Amino acid sequence: DVKVTQSSRYLVKRTGEKVFLECVQDMDHENMFWYRQDPGLGLRLIYFSYDVKMKEKGDIPEGYSVSREKKERFSLILESASTNQTSMYLCASSLGFEAFFGQGTRLTVV
Amino acid sequence: QQPVQSPQAVILREGEDAVINCSSSKALYSVHWYRQKHGEAPVFLMILLKGGEQKGHEKISASFNEKKQQSSLYLTASQLSYSGTYFCGTDGETSGSRLTFGEGTQLTVNP
Repeated sequence: DVKVTQSSRYLVKRTGEKVFLECVQDMDHENMFWYRQDPGLGLRLIYFSYDVKMKEKGDIPEGYSVSREKKERFSLILESASTNQTSMYLCASSLGFEAFFGQGTRLTVV
Repeated sequence: QQPVQSPQAVILREGEDAVINCSSSKALYSVHWYRQKHGEAPVFLMILLKGGEQKGHEKISASFNEKKQQSSLYLTASQLSYSGTYFCGTDGETSGSRLTFGEGTQLTVNP
């Protein structure tokens, strides 16, 4: 059974903290994505990666960075968390057709 | 840039039909459709490729008009299990790497 695992379901962080969200896939997929989901705004693409060490900005990259040192792992980094980054974060992986999503991390920044 | 979906929300009675539309301002390589039930991750339904190839769900169909950069998802004889939020996703003109989703359409099927 294919699997995309996000390290935390719920996370509470303080403003200004550096936050790491981790995502691991076991399907040997080349493409990995980070989205944030907010009511009425759908799934907005933050960053994606099409290979190890390769990354491209999505539609809302400001305030975020990513790291992909190994094929199976894609990390989202909030350099200095702010309250407007409170959201549901979804990781996904694909080979170009079907994308598989993780269960999401609900991040609250206080 | 996100594709645009319409309508934003639909309420149906079991057995009724619905159409969800998706349009993009840029040329598309493919259109993807996903459904997300409350509290769950989005799940793949279907992909429509440039040139007409279609892979996906046996009870839900879709069309892809490459010239108009539009796609429609057709749900016929809806069931209670169809309830959820439907997202269309689009990717780059020449590859399937960059996958961008619309705002979603919330579908509610009542008995």
